[in-house]
Amino acid sequence: QSVLTQPPSVSGAPGQRVTISCTGSSSNIGAGYDVHWYQQLPGTAPKLLIYGTTNRPSGVPDRFSGSKSGTSASLAITGLQAEDEADYYCQSYDSSLSGSRVFGGGTKLTVL
Amino acid sequence: EVQLVESGGGLVQPGRSLRLSCAASGFTFDDYAMHWVRQAPGKGLEWVSSISWNSGSIGYADSVKGRFTISRDNAKNSLYLQMSSLRGEDTALYYCAKDSLAAAAGMNDYWGQGTLVTVSS
Repeated sequence: QSVLTQPPSVSGAPGQRVTISCTGSSSNIGAGYDVHWYQQLPGTAPKLLIYGTTNRPSGVPDRFSGSKSGTSASLAITGLQAEDEADYYCQSYDSSLSGSRVFGGGTKLTVL
Repeated sequence: EVQLVESGGGLVQPGRSLRLSCAASGFTFDDYAMHWVRQAPGKGLEWVSSISWNSGSIGYADSVKGRFTISRDNAKNSLYLQMSSLRGEDTALYYCAKDSLAAAAGMNDYWGQGTLVTVSS
């Protein structure tokens, strides 16, 4: 069980907007640590999607955006497309854990 | 182009050892920290271990501490994971991932394709 909690699944129709939450605590997200998001398409390695909570690497469409409030972070995807169907993971740091790097449990996005 | 190519996975009996390697190219290897991240079949990502650019800072997940050892050879642009006392729960696809910083405090901006480790008798 991860210290960063994500919903196991979300879904939306093409063109819609969906959000994926990543809920932490005062020892990780709430402590001000950066949150990063990764997209894992079926059968492939994870790919960096959002870094430093709100930033997009070059090549990532602006349909993807990140935000943070208190002890939670969110990934929003607008104008949902079929190719967005994937698993999404948040990642941060936790001061209460040795090594301190933690991933959320992952969220499966289904495009209806 | 950044490339990370893992190798060394395979089928191993419980209690035995295995050494994973990750060959890096396309970037200045000794400028960045590196990580191992694993994914059990049908499960999510689990951080395993990190090593800073000069091996001065190393970290492990509690689940592998005392059994796994991370190391790097900057002259060979290579990252390693020595795994011992392997258990069934170590069965996973092991990814090598580059950090965006010299210390292991940034994001994983590049990932390899992974090498599969299966622990079974």
